[in-house]
Amino acid sequence: DAGITQSPRYKITETGRQVTLMCHQTWSHSYMFWYRQDLGHGLRLIYYSAAADITDKGEVPDGYVVSRSKTENFPLTLESATRSQTSVYFCASSVEVGRGNTEAFFGQGTRLTVV
Amino acid sequence: AQSVTQPDIHITVSEGASLELRCNYSYGATPYLFWYVQSPGQGLQLLLKYFSGDTLVQGIKGFEAEFKRSQSSFNLRKPSVHWSDAAEYFCAVGPNDYKLSFGAGTTVTVRA
Repeated sequence: DAGITQSPRYKITETGRQVTLMCHQTWSHSYMFWYRQDLGHGLRLIYYSAAADITDKGEVPDGYVVSRSKTENFPLTLESATRSQTSVYFCASSVEVGRGNTEAFFGQGTRLTVV
Repeated sequence: AQSVTQPDIHITVSEGASLELRCNYSYGATPYLFWYVQSPGQGLQLLLKYFSGDTLVQGIKGFEAEFKRSQSSFNLRKPSVHWSDAAEYFCAVGPNDYKLSFGAGTTVTVRA
């Protein structure tokens, strides 16, 4: 299916475990993003990527690792999950940024619970 | 530093009535401003955005927003709401399209 998909949709993991959230887009968009959504905070940018093999930190990168070996995939890894990382994670992609005539398309989110 | 305040956590409005959602931002230069809508269990969808030009911006689904630099505001309006407008609405600000700071959101409930 065309679009941006996240997997899994729901995940429960234990403190200290490594967990990877997947994001796949079929548009060949250059830019991809990871946000976390927490009650009372809105969305906060974790990491973003301008192209394959180019990634950069956002507002809240600590405890997360990303990679982008292929344009269409942008996995987010929690190296050692903590309870504070319990959140809803959104992946997004955009064909162009910085010129005002773009739009970021969001996935449906992954609800992660760390117990 | 950039930040966004959405003063109203929850708004209830009758179907057919007008709606206004408030957004105040803090940013040093001319910002990019956005309104997104999130339906339950869904990702965010862009309603409209402002980055230059006419300060009254038209968006999808009959929404509009007005950029007021003097008040650091970017309020969202709709003249007549439909039951399908029940959702959570997020205002966002940033120096470009992606390094955005989001507000905490306003939940809109539409009563029949």
